[in-house]
Amino acid sequence: AQSVTQPDIHITVSEGASLELRCNYSYGATPYLFWYVQSPGQGLQLLLKYFSGDTLVQGIKGFEAEFKRSQSSFNLRKPSVHWSDAAEYFCAVGADNYGQNFVFGPGTRLSVLP
Amino acid sequence: DAGITQSPRHKVTETGTPVTLRCHQTENHRYMYWYRQDPGHGLRLIHYSYGVKDTDKGEVSDGYSVSRSKTEDFLLTLESATSSQTSVYFCAIRRGQGTYEQYFGPGTRLTVT
Repeated sequence: AQSVTQPDIHITVSEGASLELRCNYSYGATPYLFWYVQSPGQGLQLLLKYFSGDTLVQGIKGFEAEFKRSQSSFNLRKPSVHWSDAAEYFCAVGADNYGQNFVFGPGTRLSVLP
Repeated sequence: DAGITQSPRHKVTETGTPVTLRCHQTENHRYMYWYRQDPGHGLRLIHYSYGVKDTDKGEVSDGYSVSRSKTEDFLLTLESATSSQTSVYFCAIRRGQGTYEQYFGPGTRLTVT
């Protein structure tokens, strides 16, 4: 069965600083990988996804993520964080036709200092 | 915007009462999902549907049932609510075969007292 870990429960960065959120997964085959963002009181918004091909994927809001098979990782990055990026970020893995095995990590809460 | 609405958005109910949450989509997608979100757990799948009257259990299905009599509506029922079912419930859709990303509704905050 798939599993997803996000080692950092809470990260604080200063506005303008770079950001990397970690995600590690466990799955026997090539997974489908996703990052979602959730602002307080809101639903989840898809930031980016990886299915195959180029291991560096670009998403919305200036985010990117890199799939590293050897490390079973799919870390999310942003070169310069804005105050509006403060939110909770979820990594997820999905791996079948119905998507019922779409497993989420526990989330990382990002705080941004002015 | 994936055209997903959830109702009610907030509900407080007492232990032992039945509760039904509704998810409505406007785009006729085949796949629909119900998740619950709890601190430290991310989102966990309760039930999913792959068509009208076609549903199956997810990771945390105990105490929940679902129904899908029309493509656009996916109902989640707590037959006898318990305090452990206090949570935020999200509905999601998947836009079709060949795509795997899911799009989420705004959520329903349920409190069981």
